[in-house]
This record gives sequence, structure tokens and C-alpha cells, in this order.
Amino acid sequence: EAGVVQSPRYKIIEKKQPVAFWCNPISGHNTLYWYRQNLGQGPELLIRYENEEAVDDSQLPKDRFSAERLKGVDSTLKIQPAELGDSAVYLCASSCRDCVSNNEQFFGPGTRLTVL
Amino acid sequence: AQSVTQLDSQVPVFEEAPVELRCNYSSSVSVYLFWYVQYPNQGLQLLLKYLSGSTLVESINGFEAEFNKSQTSFHLRKPSVHISDTAEYFCAVSHNQGGKLIFGQGTELSVKP
Repeated sequence: EAGVVQSPRYKIIEKKQPVAFWCNPISGHNTLYWYRQNLGQGPELLIRYENEEAVDDSQLPKDRFSAERLKGVDSTLKIQPAELGDSAVYLCASSCRDCVSNNEQFFGPGTRLTVL
Repeated sequence: AQSVTQLDSQVPVFEEAPVELRCNYSSSVSVYLFWYVQYPNQGLQLLLKYLSGSTLVESINGFEAEFNKSQTSFHLRKPSVHISDTAEYFCAVSHNQGGKLIFGQGTELSVKP
């Protein structure tokens, strides 16, 4: 079974440029999460989806960040415009409520963003 | 509000020695507790979890953690570490299954020969 897929793995941009990250969760997983992990810190939730509905986006900086999961499968996280402080690793995770894994969150390898 | 504190940012230890990585949490409601491991250039992997029942939980590679409600702790232990255990370890809590995880700052375990 394929795990959570994220692309790109690395991205370097200049400040004020836009950037987008893509995530494909494990097949059949209805819940999708985006976390941000700053250097030397633990991940922090940005947004959580149940199917195509964003059920927790309280930590998403909505002035510059947006996310979508239009068909309830893959998801895109966008930053526009990027700031220096957005440099971090962006992690995607997925989970399944009615599976043997019982809501365990499976993480992708992350996208490391560097804003210059 | 929930929070997680990992008391040690780095733990150096020699191979075959015992290790304890400390984790304390604060929460006004019941919690689920997790330890995740992150090997270099890889994603987070679940190591073990406490949901209910026995307060001592074990992983398949020899780690164990004990939920102590009175001390609000969930320390991770291994009686004899290997070089391959070198990684970053994160403690996390959640107050519902499938809900957001709140992570600690991480502990870098470095096992030396």
C-alpha cells in the first residue's frame, strides 16, 4: 500500500512569490491534515479536512494561506505571497475512521520550503 | 488548552545503555497520547500510543511508555538502545481520535558506539 505522497520534496523561492504544495493521502482515508513544522519544533496543525470539508482551520493564516480538497481525495496548500517566516517543513497526514488503523495519522515525507 | 513539554531537547547515550525520554502534558480533559519517531529525511512514524486500558504500552522494537495520570506524564523508555534508534522523537496528545495532534518540541536521541 502506498503511503502519503507529497510533492515537491523541496522548494526554494524568493519572498513575495507564491508557492503550492500537493498531497495525496492513503487510498480510502477520509481525513487529511496539513501541519507546519518549524526548525527545532514539533509540527503544528494548519488545517484538517473530513472528506472535502475543512473542519478545523483555526490555525491557518488566512490572509496568505489557502487550501483545498475539492473531491475529498488529494489536497493543495498554497501560500501567496510567501514571507521569510514561512520557511518550514509542511507535512501532510491522513487517517481513516472506519479502518483497522483506527484513526492513526500517517504522515508523508513533507515539503521543505525555504524562502529567501 | 492542551500543551506538551518534552524536557530534553537532546539525549546522547551509548549503545546498549538504557534511555528515558521525558514527556509531560497539560490538559483539562481526557487525552490520547502518542510517541512518534522521525528518522533523518523521513516522515513521522507512529511508535506507540495510549488510548485506554493498560497504562503501559509497548512498541514492536522494544520501546515502552507508561501513562501516569497523576503526574500527567508519558515517558518513553528502552532498556538497551541500538545505533539504529538514533532519530528525533516527538510526544503528542489529542483529545479525540482523529482530531489534531499537539506535539512537543521533540527530543533528539543520539546513540553512540
